[in-house]
Amino acid sequence: EVQLVESGGGLVQPGGSLRLSCAASGFTFSDHYMDWVRQTPGKGLEWVGRIRKKVNSYTTEYAASVKGRFTISRYDSENSLYLQMNSLKTEDTAVYYCARASRESHFDYWGQGTLVTVSS
Amino acid sequence: DIQLTQSPSFLSASVGDRVTITCRASQGINTYLGWYQQKPGKAPKLLISGASTLQSGVPSRFSGSGSGTEFTLTISSLQPEDFATYYCQQRSTYPVTFGQGTRLEIK
Repeated sequence: EVQLVESGGGLVQPGGSLRLSCAASGFTFSDHYMDWVRQTPGKGLEWVGRIRKKVNSYTTEYAASVKGRFTISRYDSENSLYLQMNSLKTEDTAVYYCARASRESHFDYWGQGTLVTVSS
Repeated sequence: DIQLTQSPSFLSASVGDRVTITCRASQGINTYLGWYQQKPGKAPKLLISGASTLQSGVPSRFSGSGSGTEFTLTISSLQPEDFATYYCQQRSTYPVTFGQGTRLEIK
């Protein structure tokens, strides 16, 4: 069974940093692009970014709203995905999901989400 | 960025009804569109990829069609468990974008 489990969310002050983790199991993690998607409470979905596979040199893509502040990384040996978030803003407050990208680059499995609250 | 506009944003319907949700893209995206269902407090669930390919385990009452800039998600006969919010998503170009959502409620 495919499982994605996020952790690391919490309350942080504006300008602060936080690192989210996503533990994957039930599939060959190294074979898939992995993404982060966030959802503002009561609002819609916003793609945060993607990290490709080793064969693609682990290259990344980011939404303009987080580029330069957020960094996605992965450790295939540990089946783990990370989101390092720096210079956090109040508008970064959201539930953050890690998601597996299917062959068609849609998100076929999601974690349960972890809430990040940026507030003073 | 490619904008996806869903209509309607809110839909009230009854069990057994046939409903259609439309997703319009601001520029052509071939068939690089997916549909998701999200229930309160849960992660989204992928229903359809490539505009019309039903994911494994998704009931056949769900169907998707379209290409280019206009797409539809149809539920042929609403069941109680279908009342949720539905999102379209394009993967044609970065950034990946989602529609604003269509909330489907029981009449």
